[in-house]
Amino acid sequence: AQSVTQLGSHVSVSEGALVLLRCNYSSSVPPYLFWYVQYPNQGLQLLLKYTSAATLVKGINGFEAEFKKSETSFHLTKPSAHMSDAAEYFCAVTPAGSSNTGKLIFGQGTTLQVKP
Amino acid sequence: DAGVTQSPTHLIKTRGQQVTLRCSPKSGHDTVSWYQQALGQGPQFIFQYYEEEERQRGNFPDRFSGHQFPNYSSELNVNALLLGDSALYLCASRLQGVETQYFGPGTRLLVL
Repeated sequence: AQSVTQLGSHVSVSEGALVLLRCNYSSSVPPYLFWYVQYPNQGLQLLLKYTSAATLVKGINGFEAEFKKSETSFHLTKPSAHMSDAAEYFCAVTPAGSSNTGKLIFGQGTTLQVKP
Repeated sequence: DAGVTQSPTHLIKTRGQQVTLRCSPKSGHDTVSWYQQALGQGPQFIFQYYEEEERQRGNFPDRFSGHQFPNYSSELNVNALLLGDSALYLCASRLQGVETQYFGPGTRLLVL
């Protein structure tokens, strides 16, 4: 079964520093990969998605992610962290197979702390 | 353009009771999915509704059931509540054939 692993449950960076949140998926190539952000006491907001059109995907708020098939990774980056980026980040995949369309499998999440 | 809305925002129930949560999809969307997010964890897929039928189901017991109405809104019902059902319940909607799902703010359920 498809699975998602987010390495590091907590990541702390200084304001202005590079943000790198790691996501690895199980070996069968998923058709779609997503990053969502969740602010305290809110639902999930889509940051970006990979749909095989391009390996480097740009999202909202300056985030981007690169799909690397050889590493089965879809890491999220942002060149310069802002205080408002502090939140919970989730990587998610849609399992391969038409019967799984619309079903998202999430990682455990990474809490991003941004220090002034 | 209204996004996904859910009601109520918070709910407190006792063990053994039944609960109904409601979701209105984003305008133009026809497919609704429900997820359970326990504290400190990622969301877990419960089921998905399209054309008023359950199309996919995750690893949840039959105590969890749902419904979709002709206007595409949806309900999640949970019977015989357990303490472990305490969680944030998220509704997500999409247009059939389009993978991107949009999430509502969730309903936080506390079972005492």
